[in-house]
Amino acid sequence: EPEVTQTPSHQVTQMGQEVILRCVPISNHLYFYWYRQILGQKVEFLVSFYNNEISEKSEIFDDQFSVERPDGSNFTLKIRSTKLEDSAMYFCAFVRAGDEKLFFGSGTQLSVL
Amino acid sequence: AQKITQTQPGMFVQEKEAVTLDCTYDTSDPSYGLFWYKQPSSGEMIFLIYQGSYDQQNATEGRYSLNFQKARKSANLVISASQLGDSAMYFCAMREYNNDMRFGAGTRLTVKP
Repeated sequence: EPEVTQTPSHQVTQMGQEVILRCVPISNHLYFYWYRQILGQKVEFLVSFYNNEISEKSEIFDDQFSVERPDGSNFTLKIRSTKLEDSAMYFCAFVRAGDEKLFFGSGTQLSVL
Repeated sequence: AQKITQTQPGMFVQEKEAVTLDCTYDTSDPSYGLFWYKQPSSGEMIFLIYQGSYDQQNATEGRYSLNFQKARKSANLVISASQLGDSAMYFCAMREYNNDMRFGAGTRLTVKP
């Protein structure tokens, strides 16, 4: 059983549209992360989230991006006005309390047309 | 700033032989963790092995072992008895204490029958 469920698995959107990517952790997670991977390239850090607030963000995570944990369970990444270069696989990831390992969700493949 | 270097963009290995994937890192933090992940063509990120900076012994997980040389700042992954299903991208990553995880560029491993 996966530790992390990500929805949707694929998302196709028009440039300029807003998208919301969702993660649902199952067990007790401490740190939350979003990463992205442009096709054929390295995995890039976007943002980390701890105690219901952003703890660190990369230069990629500009004003177009936001993260929330609206109901204490789901963890969302919102891209307000998508650009072509936002096309990538987006992974959420978690670290459990007392653990060091980072577990990844199955990813959402975002295609911006 | 964290930096992870994987110098081998692609590697080939004969089935049933062992292979070493190289990883070097750079950090000034004495407390950090080193990780290897496997990414098959399906796209998911699969955790393989973890080594803490204070661990005295090299980590092992089944056919995976991590050759940790702290003074050289290297954390090479050794896969013994390669199988066809080992063909995938392999990412080395490092996480400093309570910090985000950063990834190397990856090595594409191809196991030949």
